[in-house]
Amino acid sequence: GNSVTQMEGPVTLSEEAFLTINCTYTATGYPSLFWYVQYPGEGLQLLLKATKADDKGSNKGFEATYRKETTSFHLEKGSVQVSDSAVYFCALSGLTSYDKVIFGPGTSLSVIP
Amino acid sequence: GAVVSQHPSWVICKSGTSVKIECRSLDFQATTMFWYRQFPKQSLMLMATSNEGSKATYEQGVEKDKFLINHASLTLSTLTVTSAHPEDSSFYICSASPGLAGRGQETQYFGPGTRLLVL
Repeated sequence: GNSVTQMEGPVTLSEEAFLTINCTYTATGYPSLFWYVQYPGEGLQLLLKATKADDKGSNKGFEATYRKETTSFHLEKGSVQVSDSAVYFCALSGLTSYDKVIFGPGTSLSVIP
Repeated sequence: GAVVSQHPSWVICKSGTSVKIECRSLDFQATTMFWYRQFPKQSLMLMATSNEGSKATYEQGVEKDKFLINHASLTLSTLTVTSAHPEDSSFYICSASPGLAGRGQETQYFGPGTRLLVL
């Protein structure tokens, strides 16, 4: 079935380090791809999205490119900050008539000063 | 824009009671709303999809008689946990979409979530 796989966490980085969180998906057709962020004790916020192959989503220094050939949507940031500490969810949608969003398991990121 | 609110943010109740959680789209009309459940340190699991004015569609394994969903207006959906038990304790998150289900490209906007603790 349709699914999203993310790299195992937790991920711990020092401030200003480079971040990559891998995400791959399994789906038929051309899904839309998303990264959501969840800060401690809060709901989800849309971080970025891409709706077709080779699109690059970007926001707040984060970016991800929709790679259909590798079915991937890896999240990257050149220099993380302590305030980026959160759980990051890769997700896809657009496959069914009800627009269900299928979430990956989430990757916890801790950035230390 | 595209703000979704939930009320209450926290609720503690006794086992056997019913709890109602509201989800509102504040600045857009949401023809479709979704209810998710999240256990600690886990991902979100879709419980049900509701379109305004029609019955909700529940995911496999979700008891429709236990989790009553009403989407009576274009800005409000409610989830009622009936006869709550400790295993219903969880983080419930709603999301709303301004488009009709089926377009395939609509972004969902998420509420801040409601933490339910059943004693």
